[in-house]
Amino acid sequence: GIQVEQSPPDLILQEGANSTLRCNFSDSVNNLQWFHQNPWGQLINLFYIPSGTKQNGRLSATTVATERYSLLYISSSQTTDSGVYFCAVEVRTGNQFYFGTGTSLTVIP
Amino acid sequence: ETGVTQSPTHLIKTRGQQVTLRCSSQSGHNTVSWYQQALGQGPQFIFQYYREEENGRGNFPPRFSGLQFPNYSSELNVNALELDDSALYLCASSSSLGGGYEQYFGPGTRLTVT
Repeated sequence: GIQVEQSPPDLILQEGANSTLRCNFSDSVNNLQWFHQNPWGQLINLFYIPSGTKQNGRLSATTVATERYSLLYISSSQTTDSGVYFCAVEVRTGNQFYFGTGTSLTVIP
Repeated sequence: ETGVTQSPTHLIKTRGQQVTLRCSSQSGHNTVSWYQQALGQGPQFIFQYYREEENGRGNFPPRFSGLQFPNYSSELNVNALELDDSALYLCASSSSLGGGYEQYFGPGTRLTVT
C-alpha cells in the first residue's frame, strides 16, 4: 500500500514562532487532507488540498501532487495550536484512505 | 447543518464479547468510513460504506463488520473482542464517492477491552 510519511515527528516551538510540517506520499492520490487532532481525539479539518495552495488565517498549505508532497505552514504559533497534525490521502486505485504518521506539536508560552 | 455524531463516547468490554458502535453522518453526506486509532498512532482505515454497500476495506479481519442504513447512518460491529481492539474508533462522512471528496470526522468512541 501507499506510504505516507510526516516530518518532523515531534516539534516544540516558542509561542509566536513559525513552522513547516511536511507530508510525503509514495503514490498518486485523489484527495489529501490536513487535520489537527485535539487532546480529546477530535480530528478537525484544516485543509482539503489535493493540489495547489490554500490559506486560512495563520495556516496555509501547499500540495505538489506531481512531486508527491504537501506542506502545512503555521505562522505566529499559539499555545492552542498544540496537538497532533495528520495528513491523510486517498489513493487513486481504490476507496481507501491512509493517514500519515503524524507530527506532534507543542507550543510553549 | 448537523455534524457527524457517534455513540457511545466510551465503552468497556470484556475479551470475547461483541460490540456495536454507531455513527450518524453529516447532513447531505452519503458515504461513511470507519477508522481505528490505537494510542500514539495514526488512524487506520477499516472500511467504507456507500449506498448501504461495503466499498473499500483495509487490512482488518472479518470479525470487523458494518452496516449502512437508508438514512446513511452506520454501525461498526466487532465480534470476539481482543485486547488489541482497545482503541479510539472514528467515523467520517463525505458527500460523494471516489475521485476526491472531503471527509468530516465524528468525536469518536473510545473502546477499552479488558
